[in-house]
Amino acid sequence: DTGVSQDPRHKITKRGQNVTFRCDPISEHNRLYWYRQTLGQGPEFLTYFQNEAQLEKSRLLSDRFSAERPKGSFSTLEIQRTEQGDSAMYLCAIQGSWANVLTFGAGSRLTVL
Amino acid sequence: KQEVTQIPAALSVPEGENLVLNCSFTDSAIYNLQWFRQDPGKGLTSLLLIQSSQREQTSGRLNASLDKSSGRSTLYIAASQPGDSATYLCAVHPGGNTPLVFGKGTRLSVIA
Repeated sequence: DTGVSQDPRHKITKRGQNVTFRCDPISEHNRLYWYRQTLGQGPEFLTYFQNEAQLEKSRLLSDRFSAERPKGSFSTLEIQRTEQGDSAMYLCAIQGSWANVLTFGAGSRLTVL
Repeated sequence: KQEVTQIPAALSVPEGENLVLNCSFTDSAIYNLQWFRQDPGKGLTSLLLIQSSQREQTSGRLNASLDKSSGRSTLYIAASQPGDSATYLCAVHPGGNTPLVFGKGTRLSVIA
């Protein structure tokens, strides 16, 4: 148990379909982050929340991407009209207020055919 | 803009060897630096976090050092084991509300 649960672990979809990923923090935390990681690359920041508020969005987050965090609990990341370039691992991470350590979930792998 | 570089991109060593992974960053004004381990197809596991005021951190066979002025960090793994095989990622926290900036990682293979 890493403190962060992500679902689904793997999603295969056809180009043009919409997909949604969910992140459930288990441990106490202050902030929730979404990162994207493609093969052979390090994670790239997408967006983060402090409680319900979405405080920053990367330029990588095009208008086809939307993230929400209702009631400051779980978070969702939706991708509309998926493209093959969206194929990646989508990682959720939490950061506690007591330390700056990031705790990552196992990730949701997206394959767009 | 902060950039993080990790060298080498891949490394293969025989079991039992001591090894060093390198991380460099372009802007020395950092808040902290974190080393992560990632197994294939999995998420990231935090190994060590070094605050900007610290020079090194140790956990078991792992030792991470930080030279902020030169923009460098090293991760030293003693007596490597096949179970250490993974990708090791370095990430810099620039401070404030700026999110972590990651390197591309070093893929380590320890051969039995």
